[in-house]
Amino acid sequence: KAGVTQTPRYLIKTRGQQVTLSCSPISGHRSVSWYQQTPGQGLQFLFEYFSETQRNKGNFPGRFSGRQFSNSRSEMNVSTLELGDSALYLCASSLALTTPLNNEQFFGPGTRLTVL
Amino acid sequence: AQRVTQPEKLLSVFKGAPVELKCNYSYSGSPELFWYVQYSRQRLQLLLRHISRESIKGFTADLNKGETSFHLKKPFAQEEDSAMYYCALENYGGATNKLIFGTGTLLAVQP
Repeated sequence: KAGVTQTPRYLIKTRGQQVTLSCSPISGHRSVSWYQQTPGQGLQFLFEYFSETQRNKGNFPGRFSGRQFSNSRSEMNVSTLELGDSALYLCASSLALTTPLNNEQFFGPGTRLTVL
Repeated sequence: AQRVTQPEKLLSVFKGAPVELKCNYSYSGSPELFWYVQYSRQRLQLLLRHISRESIKGFTADLNKGETSFHLKKPFAQEEDSAMYYCALENYGGATNKLIFGTGTLLAVQP
């Protein structure tokens, strides 16, 4: 079956603009998580959604937001972009939230965001 | 504080040599530990998890709660093992899939 897909794969924006990234989970998966990957900070958790509800949020400013739709697809939005927002944004999906049998996370290829 | 520490940024070994990638964690609850791998130009993927006690591609990892460690080991490294390895933890049985990652170790296996 198809893996996690993310669009767009590459994005260039300027400071002050806003951006929306999209993630389509594996069919049947209801949990979607987002991570920011940078050379300096590594992989950091942004937020997690399950059944259209945000279940957990990382330590990021309010400029970072997200949502999940009824078909489990998710979007994240970053407003008023800063240079430091340049990063690879990864999306991961899993069947459900808990129990070792169904919480394995499958990662997408990421969206590379460059802020100029 | 919840933290995963991978002390080595780069580990270079020769083909056929043993490999040990170190991972220590700090976590107040009951953690579930993972190793993820990212090969060149590929997406991040799960290598193994402590609860499954599996050996994947010859790699094993044992959770040592006394030393709060989850080191990844392989007796004989292969060139195709060259990749970025991330140790991560999750709250076992909790209502979240949030992963806390270490900073990663780049394994380079020389011919």
